[in-house]
Amino acid sequence: GQQLNQSPQSMFIQEGEDVSMNCTSSSIFNTWLWYKQDPGEGPVLLIALYKAGELTSNGRLTAQFGITRKDSFLNISASIPSDVGIYFCAGQAGSARQLTFGSGTQLTVLP
Amino acid sequence: GAGVSQSPRYKVAKRGQDVALRCDPISGHVSLFWYQQALGQGPEFLTYFQNEAQLDKSGLPSDRFFAERPEGSVSTLKIQRTQQEDSAVYLCASSLTGRVNNEQFFGPGTRLTVL
Repeated sequence: GQQLNQSPQSMFIQEGEDVSMNCTSSSIFNTWLWYKQDPGEGPVLLIALYKAGELTSNGRLTAQFGITRKDSFLNISASIPSDVGIYFCAGQAGSARQLTFGSGTQLTVLP
Repeated sequence: GAGVSQSPRYKVAKRGQDVALRCDPISGHVSLFWYQQALGQGPEFLTYFQNEAQLDKSGLPSDRFFAERPEGSVSTLKIQRTQQEDSAVYLCASSLTGRVNNEQFFGPGTRLTVL
């Protein structure tokens, strides 16, 4: 099925470093979302973006809805050990209720 | 209140067996979604209910997959004659309304392994 192109696939960073990940699509999305999934759990919403060009922050997390509606990025500043997990971008196209997910970015934070 | 719950959390089936996976959405949530998450991948949409009505089943991979939500609350995803390629985590999500931008809350998933 259709998935968003998410990169990088995995990242190893030192505690305290900033990290950036992004998602691109060949088609337009009206909503971009970023989720975090811990082992054995379902995805948990971090940030939701509803307008092209929108820049939204949630604590140390910042995400932007690309102006073309075909991309989004997520930044995490000053990483801490509990940031470890898999981060997914997701989008909603048109009037669809369902989400289309990226393939995920596995983040490892080294002490 | 409680979040979305799913049962069983783990299911092992022999190829050819039928399985039934249950989802208890957040009380009062109108919309319910099923997603399939293969190992190392993001979730993929299977089907969507608004109350008891199944409005979209375009993501169901074959006619062996069937979902129902007869009273508009609990939902069951049934897979008949399971195959090895059905092995995945099945996630259920619910949202308060049927509106497009309504946040979806996910359950912990059921990990299905078909031997």
